[in-house]
Amino acid sequence: NAGVTQTPKFQVLKTGQSMTLQCAQDMNHEYMSWYRQDPGMGLRLIHYSVGAGITDQGEVPNGYNVSRSTTEDFPLRLLSAAPSQTSVYFCASSYVDGTQYFGPGTRLLVL
Amino acid sequence: DQQVKQNSPSLSVQEGRISILNCDYTNSMFDYFLWYKKYPAEGPTFLISISSIKDKNEDGRFTVFLNKSAKHLSLHIVPSQPGDSAVYFCAFLAGTASKLTFGTGTRLQVTL
Repeated sequence: NAGVTQTPKFQVLKTGQSMTLQCAQDMNHEYMSWYRQDPGMGLRLIHYSVGAGITDQGEVPNGYNVSRSTTEDFPLRLLSAAPSQTSVYFCASSYVDGTQYFGPGTRLLVL
Repeated sequence: DQQVKQNSPSLSVQEGRISILNCDYTNSMFDYFLWYKKYPAEGPTFLISISSIKDKNEDGRFTVFLNKSAKHLSLHIVPSQPGDSAVYFCAFLAGTASKLTFGTGTRLQVTL
């Protein structure tokens, strides 16, 4: 039981490049979320999903896309990377009780 | 519009003493309250939670208190241990289990 896994662990992009951050969970959780963590700002919700085929925007969705074709996977796409998207990205999954379990994070640097 | 505030960015406590971490919130729709602990280069890990129908929940050395009238959440760690040194985030849930609202975090350092 690996829990929540994220790849890559670290990525450097140039402004304008696109990429996909991968997230997978093996706990059969219906709920999955993406957060970004910036210094002094805690974790902010980017997008979330309440089940396969259902996604919605969080607090800071601009510049990101998501899809949820299976229960296990919830990839986050950066369409055209900007320096403001330099951050640490965390994926999480949960049961209906709201206790979220987080992956180890992806550290992204956009030059 | 900051719905959750952790006013102490850092806290230093001696080993064996009590650590008290605090959170204030403004959104009265929050109905489930959690504390997460985060070590450097790792994801946050769930610590303890409390629902809005309770005012206290205890798990070993960790106790969470909820004062709904004051919109105040606190975490007590007693006795504090060096391994408790980490950043602690309070997190709040209103409605769907996918949408947590986090505080800005308090860095706890437990000294020998």
